[in-house]
Amino acid sequence: QVQLVESGGGLVKPGGSLRLSCAASGFTFSDYYMTWIRQAPGKGLEYISYISSTSIHTNYADSVKGRFTISRDNDKNSLYLQMNSLRAEDTAVYYCARVLDDSSGYSFDYWGQGTLVTASS
Amino acid sequence: DIQMTQSPSSLSASVGDRVTITCRASQSISNYLNWYQQKPGKAPNLLIYAASSLQSGVPSRFSGSGSGTDFTLTISSLQPEDFATYYCQQSFSIYTFGQGTMLEIK
Repeated sequence: QVQLVESGGGLVKPGGSLRLSCAASGFTFSDYYMTWIRQAPGKGLEYISYISSTSIHTNYADSVKGRFTISRDNDKNSLYLQMNSLRAEDTAVYYCARVLDDSSGYSFDYWGQGTLVTASS
Repeated sequence: DIQMTQSPSSLSASVGDRVTITCRASQSISNYLNWYQQKPGKAPNLLIYAASSLQSGVPSRFSGSGSGTDFTLTISSLQPEDFATYYCQQSFSIYTFGQGTMLEIK
């Protein structure tokens, strides 16, 4: 069965860096676009970034552009999010999700359990 | 950027009720609209994609409709496990979520 497991979250001081990982299993990872989505405490869902199946295409929300970098290693079935210059407002649960291309748009059909990032002094 | 606005923001209902949640896009998004359910402490779960297609494994009491700018999620007969927060999401231009609708027990 499809599984996505995030890791790497934790407490970091504002201005610091963190690298999140998402280990995928149960499907052909290299066939799918992947995405990161976050949820601040008590708030709604916010799209952060996506990466194409071969890493050729990436996209970032304005809120993280220039600070976060998405990448993947298809040999290791893993997705990554390098987060630099972290701010208090980056505090959130970060989810990785698989992107489903249903020919009428894109949806997120499988999600990890999430990893909490706290940027605080 | 395309803005997604859900209404209501919260809703109280009883088991067995028929419930409708609305999502409005700031511009036409054709049928590029998805619905998710999220329970406390859990990841979201895809319910409906392409405005009206039921995701595999999702009970048939959930249905979606709409096109252009106005969309609805309907739960035909509420079950105890349906009390959760629901989000719409557009994929016409990158991705944007609505602010969520919290469905509570009356």
